[in-house]
Amino acid sequence: QSVLTQPPSVSEAPGQRVTISCTGGSFNIGAGYDVHWYQQVPGTAPKLLIYGNINRPSGVPDRFSGSKSGTSASLAITGLQAEDEADYYCQSYDSSLSGSVFGSGTKVTVL
Amino acid sequence: EVQLVESGGVVVQPGGSLRLSCAASGFTFDDYAMHWVRQAPGKGLEWVSLITWDGGSTYYADSVKGRFTISRDNSKNSLDLQMNSLRVEDTALYYCACLDGGGFYIYWGQGTLVTVSS
Repeated sequence: QSVLTQPPSVSEAPGQRVTISCTGGSFNIGAGYDVHWYQQVPGTAPKLLIYGNINRPSGVPDRFSGSKSGTSASLAITGLQAEDEADYYCQSYDSSLSGSVFGSGTKVTVL
Repeated sequence: EVQLVESGGVVVQPGGSLRLSCAASGFTFDDYAMHWVRQAPGKGLEWVSLITWDGGSTYYADSVKGRFTISRDNSKNSLDLQMNSLRVEDTALYYCACLDGGGFYIYWGQGTLVTVSS
């Protein structure tokens, strides 16, 4: 069972907006640790999408944005495209585990 | 070009042992903490273990503590994971990953598959 909770799936039509939540607790997100997001296309390694809650690495479209508040974080995808179909994971640090924690993962489907 | 190349994944019986390796190139290996992250078939990502840049500290997920040992050789730009007393639930694709100082995984390998089955 993952320490960080995400919805199992979200779906929306092309061009629309989806948001993915990531809920943690007092030893990880709520303790002030940053949240990072990864995109994983099946059969490939995860790819960094958002780091430090809100920052996009070079090459990531600005359709992707992140936010954080309290014990939760969110990833938003606007102008949804077919190529955005993938699994998305949040990640943070947990002081009680002295290691990384991942979200349970959310499958994004473009209808 | 940055590369992380894992090797060593095979089919092994429950209770057996296995050593995974990760060869790094294209970046300054000893600038970074290194991690192992695994993904069971059809499941999500699970952090397994980390080792600090100098090998001075290691940490493990509760699910593998006492059975797995992480190590690194900065002179060879290599990372290892010694896996003992393997269980069926250890079956997964094992990734080595490089952790940036900001706490995120900046580089990932392509993974090596470990299957624990009788």
